[in-house]
Amino acid sequence: DAGVIQSPRHEVTEMGQEVTLRCKPISGHNSLFWYRQTMMRGLELLIYFNNNVPIDDSGMPEDRFSAKMPNASFSTLKIQPSEPRDSAVYFCASSLVQINTGELFFGEGSRLTVL
Amino acid sequence: SQKIEQNSEALNIQEGKTATLTCNYTNYSPAYLQWYRQDPGRGPVFLLLIRENEKEKRKERLKVTFDTTLKQSLFHITASQPADSATYLCALEVDSGYALNFGKGTSLLVTP
Repeated sequence: DAGVIQSPRHEVTEMGQEVTLRCKPISGHNSLFWYRQTMMRGLELLIYFNNNVPIDDSGMPEDRFSAKMPNASFSTLKIQPSEPRDSAVYFCASSLVQINTGELFFGEGSRLTVL
Repeated sequence: SQKIEQNSEALNIQEGKTATLTCNYTNYSPAYLQWYRQDPGRGPVFLLLIRENEKEKRKERLKVTFDTTLKQSLFHITASQPADSATYLCALEVDSGYALNFGKGTSLLVTP
């Protein structure tokens, strides 16, 4: 399996622009997670989906952030409008959740820089 | 609120020694705890999972302990090697289940 695939790997944009990050989870996994990592705050859970349904989006920092999972093989995280404080590495992870959360498989991340 | 604490100071040890990393948590009653490794510019990679009824778990040179009374997990790497240099993260399930909260990680540097 190719693992979790994220795109783009790097994104540099200007404040106010819309940013869309993409994720393809591992086939057969039923849960998908979006995390954000910064030096100051570490790895923060933004939102997660189970069977394509958003379960908890309480980690989404503001209304400027939105996430969708239209099918089992694709998810997007959108920031509109972007701000410099959104600069971070955004990770997507997937897992096969049964009774409890199992091992998370992470993508390589999308490094976002907002100027 | 749930809190996970890992030593923010980097741990520097000599090759061949045992590295011990600590993960403390508060306001949690987790059923299990996980440890991940993260290399610079890469996503975290799963290492070990230990359940609340398991006191100790081993995998090759790795050993994890889980003390639910102390609310602490210790992660040991025996016979450490320079290739073990990385950041190590502990993770606990969120209250609602289905997802994990992570500590900020501890950076380990193993020198020859």
